[in-house]
Amino acid sequence: AQKITQTQPGMFVQEKEAVTLDCTYDTSDPSYGLFWYKQPSSGEMIFLIYQGSYDQQNATEGRYSLNFQKARKSANLVISASQLGDSAMYFCAMREYARGSTLGRLYFGRGTQLTVWP
Amino acid sequence: ETGVTQSPTHLIKTRGQQVTLRCSSQSGHNTVSWYQQALGQGPQFIFQYYREEENGRGNFPPRFSGLQFPNYSSELNVNALELDDSALYLCASSQQGGDYEQYFGPGTRLTVT
Repeated sequence: AQKITQTQPGMFVQEKEAVTLDCTYDTSDPSYGLFWYKQPSSGEMIFLIYQGSYDQQNATEGRYSLNFQKARKSANLVISASQLGDSAMYFCAMREYARGSTLGRLYFGRGTQLTVWP
Repeated sequence: ETGVTQSPTHLIKTRGQQVTLRCSSQSGHNTVSWYQQALGQGPQFIFQYYREEENGRGNFPPRFSGLQFPNYSSELNVNALELDDSALYLCASSQQGGDYEQYFGPGTRLTVT
């Protein structure tokens, strides 16, 4: 089974509007972390935001926030006030902290291509 | 920029050849992870090196091998290249066996013809 599922191959949003990128995950490990990365066409993975499984509040980083619904196993990224420079591929990823897991190993989804138009 | 560098940027090889990709980790980081990202896919974990030893491996055949040097830089070697090995290869460095945030390099794009 896929550990990370991103069901939106592409999303379009107008500049200054908010957009939500979906992510669901699958793990039996009670301790895990969820990440979102941005990948421009240059290829480098840029870290955006992190949510730990025991965090009580949703993570926020500037215009990025993570809508964490643990019971539904979803970790959607919300980008507020979209900018043209936000156009890129966005990946949801997870790491597990169980004994025997490789620390730092990330499981990625297939990504969502976000296009911001003027 | 993250301080993680990779070389070369692009590479073209022929099926059956061997290739070596290099990664210099960020200062103070002792762990390097390698990922393969095929076109239109998310990155897939190849393996991780921590203090010069392999510390975990994904579902990749033995012809994918690696090294980590005393300065914590790393190499990824792929023998007997296949067409499906064409991908972007990303390395990520971190501290303490990956227990902290990972910083990705810009990647090496490998094309196998």
